[in-house]
Amino acid sequence: DSGVTQTPKHLITATGQRVTLRCSPRSGDLSVYWYQQSLDQGLQFLIHYYNGEERAKGNILERFSAQQFPDLHSELNLSSLELGDSALYFCASSVNGNTIYFGEGSWLTVV
Amino acid sequence: AQTVTQSQPEMSVQEAETVTLSCTYDTSESNYYLFWYKQPPSRQMILVIRQEAYKQQNATENRFSVNFQKAAKSFSLKISDSQLGDTAMYFCAFMNPDGTASKLTFGTGTRLQVTL
Repeated sequence: DSGVTQTPKHLITATGQRVTLRCSPRSGDLSVYWYQQSLDQGLQFLIHYYNGEERAKGNILERFSAQQFPDLHSELNLSSLELGDSALYFCASSVNGNTIYFGEGSWLTVV
Repeated sequence: AQTVTQSQPEMSVQEAETVTLSCTYDTSESNYYLFWYKQPPSRQMILVIRQEAYKQQNATENRFSVNFQKAAKSFSLKISDSQLGDTAMYFCAFMNPDGTASKLTFGTGTRLQVTL
């Protein structure tokens, strides 16, 4: 158990809908990262927050947004969902930026 | 930008044998970290081992060890006494520590099958 908690573990939704994925980092970790893992594109970095502030953006679509709250949990919002958004979404956290621990992921299926 | 290359899409090893997974990377940085993550069929990402570039000594964690060749930008993972539970996808990853803006760049992975 890495200590990073993600909910929900599985989610099935229809195209055009909006979903929110939630992440609680390890106790004491200020950094939260979001990664997307789809079958044909491997692990893609989406976004990084540190203590509530956005620090780096990767290949995150404009339909996606994230935030980190004062209690350090983070949410990834995915809107206007398309079939191609079906993927495993990982949250990860780090305390000092040199080792990153992953949660178990949230499986999103768009039908 | 940093890139990570894993040239072995799939490998197979018999139980109790030793296997080495290859990884090369490209960077102009001198200070960085390298990782191997394991992703079993459950799809959880599990940290296997970590190497700091400024350390010449190769990292070891029980049956897992690395061969870090900084000049060659090579970072291979050796699994000794392979077990069925080692069956997984293995990802090599690079991190350029940038204080609070660090992130991981992953290779495409090597699927390892441990057989009886």
